[in-house]
Amino acid sequence: DGGITQSPKYLFRKEGQNVTLSCEQNLNHDAMYWYRQDPGQGLRLIYYSQIVNDFQKGDIAEGYSVSREKKESFPLTVTSAQKNPTAFYLCASSIMIGPDEQFFGPGTRLTVL
Amino acid sequence: GNSVTQMEGPVTLSEEAFLTINCTYTATGYPSLFWYVQYPGEGLQLLLKATKADDKGSNKGFEATYRKETTSFHLEKGSVQVSDSAVYFCALSGSGSARQLTFGSGTQLTVLP
Repeated sequence: DGGITQSPKYLFRKEGQNVTLSCEQNLNHDAMYWYRQDPGQGLRLIYYSQIVNDFQKGDIAEGYSVSREKKESFPLTVTSAQKNPTAFYLCASSIMIGPDEQFFGPGTRLTVL
Repeated sequence: GNSVTQMEGPVTLSEEAFLTINCTYTATGYPSLFWYVQYPGEGLQLLLKATKADDKGSNKGFEATYRKETTSFHLEKGSVQVSDSAVYFCALSGSGSARQLTFGSGTQLTVLP
């Protein structure tokens, strides 16, 4: 079955450590996205990528980094510079940037202790 | 910039009641409009969409009509079920350089038996 996988589902880290969240899709989509979800605040865009080896900052990119070395993969690193990293992180993909449906992964809940 | 305003929750209804969740938007040009649903602990799923004025999106008994004159895309369902309990997000995809999705803050719906 085609879809988006995110791993792990739950992640715990100590303050000051970098952590990388995995996102893989087998939908052959060009565009991929990372969102952060906090209670009562909806989804906020962190980074997005329209094509391999290219990505753009979203609304809240500070303290995060990404790479897009393969079409299928778009890992997100939460660095120690991110002031409040505890959140639910969602990865999504779409055929291209635009009015197309975005398909979402199941999410990773990151807790920084 | 683009923005989406949703009716604040939580909303609690009895089974078979009528549901309306209000959504209004601000955008330049001609955005596409979406409703996504998120069940507990999961990612988002597209519920319905409309890409031009007066279009009606529908799925699983839910409907929403793209009203350009009132910049609205209200979600309705005639008879809700317990299984409809979830968080509902209104979103828009802009035009030109602003084609990423912009989400509302979400509305928590609980349906009681």
